[in-house]
Amino acid sequence: KAGVTQTPRYLIKTRGQQVTLSCSPISGHRSVSWYQQTPGQGLQFLFEYFSETQRNKGNFPGRFSGRQFSNSRSEMNVSTLELGDSALYLCASSWRETGNGFAYEQYFGPGTRLTVT
Amino acid sequence: GENVEQHPSTLSVQEGDSAVIKCTYSDSASNYFPWYKQELGKRPQLIIDIRSNVGEKKDQRIAVTLNKTAKHFSLHITETQPEDSAVYFCAASGQGLGRRALTFGSGTRLQVQP
Repeated sequence: KAGVTQTPRYLIKTRGQQVTLSCSPISGHRSVSWYQQTPGQGLQFLFEYFSETQRNKGNFPGRFSGRQFSNSRSEMNVSTLELGDSALYLCASSWRETGNGFAYEQYFGPGTRLTVT
Repeated sequence: GENVEQHPSTLSVQEGDSAVIKCTYSDSASNYFPWYKQELGKRPQLIIDIRSNVGEKKDQRIAVTLNKTAKHFSLHITETQPEDSAVYFCAASGQGLGRRALTFGSGTRLQVQP
């Protein structure tokens, strides 16, 4: 079974621009969560999507947004980029049906390395 | 919100020794505790997890223990090997929809000396 995929893997943008990142979850998984990883702040939760609805949101400004499509693929968008947005953006795939319920483990994609200059 | 503290920040052991990494959490509503291993330039990889209805879980050389009363959980790696060298992150969350945001510890860099 294919793992979580993210595109693009690397991105260089200029301050003030916007960017869209894409995540394809593991087949059969219905939830996608997004995390930001930086050396200074570590791994921080951005938001979670399930059934095309945002279910939870972390403490990030409104410039960070996302969406999920009917095939569970998700995108996140960052508008008006700032230097501090430079980070590794990771998505995590989860929520699969098992024989007796659901499994919740989150599996990460390889990430998109965003550099803002 | 939840806060997860992780210690130590770096850990160096000899090959074959054991390694222990400890985490504490603040939110008594948290009931799911995964551990991730991240090698340089790679994605975080889920290595083991434990739910609050279990006190201990083992998978070959890796074990995790949970003390709900004290709100701490630990990762134990026995018979360490050079390929265990990586950064390890603990995390905590709930399990229901809207409650599964993982709050991560700051990471432990484990170096296994051959």
